[in-house]
Amino acid sequence: SQTIHQWPATLVQPVGSPLSLECTVEGTSNPNLYWYRQAAGRGLQLLFYSVGIGQISSEVPQNLSASRPQDRQFILSSKKLLLSDSGFYLCAWSKELPIEAFFGQGTRLTVV
Amino acid sequence: AQSVSQHNHHVILSEAASLELGCNYSYGGTVNLFWYVQYPGQHLQLLLKYFSGDPLVKGIKGFEAEFIKSKFSFNLRKPSVQWSDTAEYFCAVNWENGGFKTIFGAGTRLFVKA
Repeated sequence: SQTIHQWPATLVQPVGSPLSLECTVEGTSNPNLYWYRQAAGRGLQLLFYSVGIGQISSEVPQNLSASRPQDRQFILSSKKLLLSDSGFYLCAWSKELPIEAFFGQGTRLTVV
Repeated sequence: AQSVSQHNHHVILSEAASLELGCNYSYGGTVNLFWYVQYPGQHLQLLLKYFSGDPLVKGIKGFEAEFIKSKFSFNLRKPSVQWSDTAEYFCAVNWENGGFKTIFGAGTRLFVKA
């Protein structure tokens, strides 16, 4: 069966520090991969999605970037974190259209 | 831009009350529709989905949703809620001409009083 791993679960980082959140999927090949940010009262905001290695679509302009160095690996990064980057970040994958997404456990990022 | 609206951010019900959570989406052609649920301390999981066919979709735990194309709506219903239904519910839409993007609503926090 397919599983999705996301780490770390929680992270506290100072303003201006770099960020790297990693997500990997097991048990499937060529998944569609997504990064969402969940904020209270604002639901899930789609940040990036990828349909293949090296293919990244950005949905909102921001201080973050994403990369997909391997088929089942999706990384969310920042060179310099801002306070406004604090939030709950979710990685998800889906296989085929129509899309049904499977979510990781999430990372709670606090920028101080 | 494509958008999904959930009308209620917080809902409080007593056990056995009926539930209806509203969801509307912006026009954009053929859509695939979903409701996800997040129980306290757990990750998001799929409750039900609509792709085509019968517009009344039945999901897990007695939930159902009705797709009304003319109203761009996909409301979630349950005839009699239980305390264990306390959770946050998200409506999500995938527009077929939008490729692999799925847009989520802001979510509705449901609290069921025992």
